[in-house]
Order: sequence, then C-alpha cells, then structure tokens
Amino acid sequence: ETGVTQTPRHLVMGMTNKKSLKCEQHLGHNAMYWYKQSAKKPLELMFVYNFKEQTENNSVPSRFSPECPNSSHLFLHLHTLQPEDSALYLCASSQDETGSYEQYFGPGTRLTVT
Amino acid sequence: GQNIDQPTEMTATEGAIVQINCTYQTSGFNGLFWYQQHAGEAPTFLSYNVLDGLEEKGRFSSFLSRSKGYSYLLLKELQMKDSASYLCAVRDSNYQLIWGAGTKLIIKP
Repeated sequence: ETGVTQTPRHLVMGMTNKKSLKCEQHLGHNAMYWYKQSAKKPLELMFVYNFKEQTENNSVPSRFSPECPNSSHLFLHLHTLQPEDSALYLCASSQDETGSYEQYFGPGTRLTVT
Repeated sequence: GQNIDQPTEMTATEGAIVQINCTYQTSGFNGLFWYQQHAGEAPTFLSYNVLDGLEEKGRFSSFLSRSKGYSYLLLKELQMKDSASYLCAVRDSNYQLIWGAGTKLIIKP
C-alpha cells in the first residue's frame, strides 16, 4: 500500500448506529487531518493531529470522536449522527502541520446518514 | 472573518488556455496552495506560492500577489483530463489552511 488509504469507501448508517472510519498513511508523515467535504462548500477542517497529539478541534460536535493511536493511523468514531452529517470525509497527512508541506489526501469515505 | 473566493464554474475549450482566479482575506499569510480534484477522487497537490510572482510547472502555472490578496492558476494546452475542480487554499498566521469552495472546470472538445 502506498500513500493514504481510507476504509470503508462508502458507508450508510442510521442515526442510532455507531461506526468508525479508518485512515492509514504510508508516507512517514507526522501530521494527520480529518476533513468534511459537502457539495459546493469549502473543505471543513475537523481535527488535526501532529505527532499523535491533537492540535486542532474546529468546534466539531461530540458525535464525532477522533483517535490517533500512532502517527500512521487515524480513526473517526461516529455515533448518533444526523442526516446533515452526510458528506465525503477525507483524511490527509503532511510532513508537518506548518510550512510549505502539502497535504496528501486519501480517497475519502462517502457517508450517508439515513 | 476569513474568506477565499473562487468562481463556482468555468468552461473552456480543449487546447485553449484558462485562468482560474482566487482572492483571499485571511488573518495573516503563510502560503497559498492549489489542488486538483477529479469527481469522486481525492484532491491532489498542484502548486505552492509564498512569494510574489509566477511559478511554472509544465502546463500549469500559479501566480501570487500578496499585496492584492490574489492568486491565479493558469492552465495551458487544455486536455479533456483537466476537467476537474480546482481548490485554492491559504495558510493563515496560525498555519491553518483556509479552503475555497473550488472552481469546477469543464473542458469541451
């Protein structure tokens, strides 16, 4: 595996379900990110981890819970979601969260909340 | 507030040149990125500008004017595969990336 991988690619869940999204990066990067992408809206940064420590939490509802066990893996735990949470969830990584380092994105998880 | 403005959609002809503009108002500036995103795929990095001027990379060039809060992405010799959304993002004084909503580029034969 190379780059940034995400599983599952598609997820349909009810509002009472609990599920987790997984992200793995094989680039040796130190920073990892969760983004939400809704149609015709800017990418919304949700969480940032740098060297496994959470450095950013952009007022994300508590029904989204991130976990970063090591610098290669990132999870997003989901519970009691709302229909408006349906979106593409993108994971990204970069060498560091500052400077000129570009972010490498995974293919995303298309989430539908019914 | 912080804001990135890009046109929502543009149309161009195969073989032609197109310029996609991006204007920004952010708290501080620590670089500007352009990404390409094909439908249903992940964004991929195209260019980075931190100093004023033009950066050229093959068929793609990116320009920055910090005093005007303005950048553009120039695509030459357009190909059908260039049909995608182009995202502008600015790193602010806290090194957080602020993203535009993207410009959907449609290439016609």
